[in-house]
This record gives sequence, structure tokens and C-alpha cells, in this order.
Amino acid sequence: DQQVKQNSPSLSVQEGRISILNCDYTNSMFDYFLWYKKYPAEGPTFLISISSIKDKNEDGRFTVFLNKSAKHLSLHIVPSQPGDSAVYFCAASGNNRKLIWGLGTSLAVNP
Amino acid sequence: DVKVTQSSRYLVKRTGEKVFLECVQDMDHENMFWYRQDPGLGLRLIYFSYDVKMKEKGDIPEGYSVSREKKERFSLILESASTNQTSMYLCASNLRGEVNPYNSPLHFGNGTRLTVT
Repeated sequence: DQQVKQNSPSLSVQEGRISILNCDYTNSMFDYFLWYKKYPAEGPTFLISISSIKDKNEDGRFTVFLNKSAKHLSLHIVPSQPGDSAVYFCAASGNNRKLIWGLGTSLAVNP
Repeated sequence: DVKVTQSSRYLVKRTGEKVFLECVQDMDHENMFWYRQDPGLGLRLIYFSYDVKMKEKGDIPEGYSVSREKKERFSLILESASTNQTSMYLCASNLRGEVNPYNSPLHFGNGTRLTVT
């Protein structure tokens, strides 16, 4: 049973618009969430994280929102650029010290 | 900038062979990890190490072993390769988190695509 779900396998967005990638989780003990980006033929690279004591974290064009009551987080990319085209993974960890990964969402930003 | 280097990008091995996948990081990270990535299954943790000569099993350790003789190097060993071990293998490292080993972002290598025939 997947504890971290990225329900959209793919997303297509126009350049300059907002990309919103979603992630749902089932374990209320998760207290730290991370987003990674992966280009083909490369390993994932860390993008942004958020602790459960916050509901928002921003880094340049990237913002992560956490809704603990809904067990939902989202990554917003504004404005989207063609170079943002990649697979985005959501991951979560809790006091059992395991990192649980979603299956990823493939984002295509069209010029 | 942290660099995690995996010695091979592509490997083709025969069933039953002993396979070594090597990983080296240059940032003095305490923790090192081996994952495999398969379509529809995401990233699954095989083993991790939080110190020299220390190791812990991940979610799918069967058929694998690891070695960490030096802080910067973490090796994944397939004792007798099988076709179901055909996969993309990713090594990662990070600084030791105070409570949780994942509270410091993972730095990944570019992966080794292993094919077992």
C-alpha cells in the first residue's frame, strides 16, 4: 500500500504559467517532506523541503505548501520554464526514520 | 558542490556472476545509501550506512550485500546476479541528521543501469 501518492503520472504546462504538482500521504507520523527533480540519465536532485511545523516554504520560483489536515502537499513552480521539464518525486519521512517515495510526476513545459 | 560518483553508467552481466557497484562521495558525508529504481515501483532502498563499517538493511536487501571500509566509498555487491536484479541503481549520500537520517537532502549519483542476462 503506497503511503505517498502522486496521482498524476504526467502534467503538461505552457511556458510562463504555473505548474502545480500534488502529493498525498496516508501516514500522519510523517514530519518532513521533500521534493526531488530528475532529468533523464541523471540521478534525482534535491529541490525543496518542508517540515511539518510549517505550512509553506519558498525558494525562488518554487514553493511547497503543506496541508496537514488533508495530508496533502503541493509544489508550485511559477513561472514554469522549459528547463523545468523533468520527473518530480515527492518523499516523506517520519520518526521511524524511513524515507518513503512517491512514483513521480513527469512535467512537460511547452515553449 | 557535492559530487557522488558511480563507477559505471552501464553494466551487462550474466546470471550467477558476482557484481560490484562502486560509489564514491567527496563531501565527507556520514550517510550513504543504495537505491534501485524500477518503472511503476519508484525508488526502493536496498541498504544504507551511517558510518564506516556500519550498515542497515533497507526495504529490499535480499540478494544484495554492501561494504563500507572507508567513509567516502560505499559498494553494493550482488553475490549471484539474477535477471530480476536488472534495474537502475542509484547511490546517494547526505550529512547525518540529528534525529532522522533524511532531514538532510540526499545527493545522488547519476546511476548505474545494470542488465543481467
